[in-house]
Amino acid sequence: EIVLTQSPGTLSLSPGERATLSCRASQSVSSSYLAWYQQKPGQAPRLLIYGASSRATGIPDRFSGSGSGTDFTLTISRLEPEDFAVYYCQQYGSSPRTFGQGTKLQIK
Amino acid sequence: EVQLVQSGAEVKKPGESLKISCKGSGYSFSTYWIAWVRQLPGKGLEWMGIIYPGDSDTRYSPSFQGQVTISADKSMNSAYLQWSSLKASDTAMYYCASLYGPGNFYTHFDYWGQGTLVTVSS
Repeated sequence: EIVLTQSPGTLSLSPGERATLSCRASQSVSSSYLAWYQQKPGQAPRLLIYGASSRATGIPDRFSGSGSGTDFTLTISRLEPEDFAVYYCQQYGSSPRTFGQGTKLQIK
Repeated sequence: EVQLVQSGAEVKKPGESLKISCKGSGYSFSTYWIAWVRQLPGKGLEWMGIIYPGDSDTRYSPSFQGQVTISADKSMNSAYLQWSSLKASDTAMYYCASLYGPGNFYTHFDYWGQGTLVTVSS
């Protein structure tokens, strides 16, 4: 089973700042089969990024993903008030599919 | 418009059985894998397993194998998650999600249901 470790656990930033979230895998993720999801309180998760760097439909271009192998990054270039949420990475290249434990992005 | 609509919240006692549902619309339900995801109160997401409604091919996470049963009825465009004997530790939000692309097994979760809250308490 691939274990995904996200860091930091909590990130406190202000609107307009840049956010960098990390996801590290215990072994290489096949074909960059890594996704990022955003979850707001009381809502289902929403797909942001798939294939490590492809934005999902309707996702603003301030969200970008990068990385390969075991190290992946989600970057939000300029934080908007609606971006404060919990973010999860997920690998889907091997079974069982696994999620990271999440990074909570909160307003400073 | 693609939609996954899950059944409503449930309150059950330990030892009771339960089956919750996830109904798809707006796409060819039988040709897309459906996953189930657990979220314990205040915790992260856990992948439970997936099913291909076309032939009911099912795969479980080792953590959930033998603890739940995943099934589907393609004639009803629905997938199900079932417990034979609930425990208090099953209290959680459960989400279904469809995988991207017809027949694609190794792919991301594209659409999500709204979640079903299951509360198990004596």
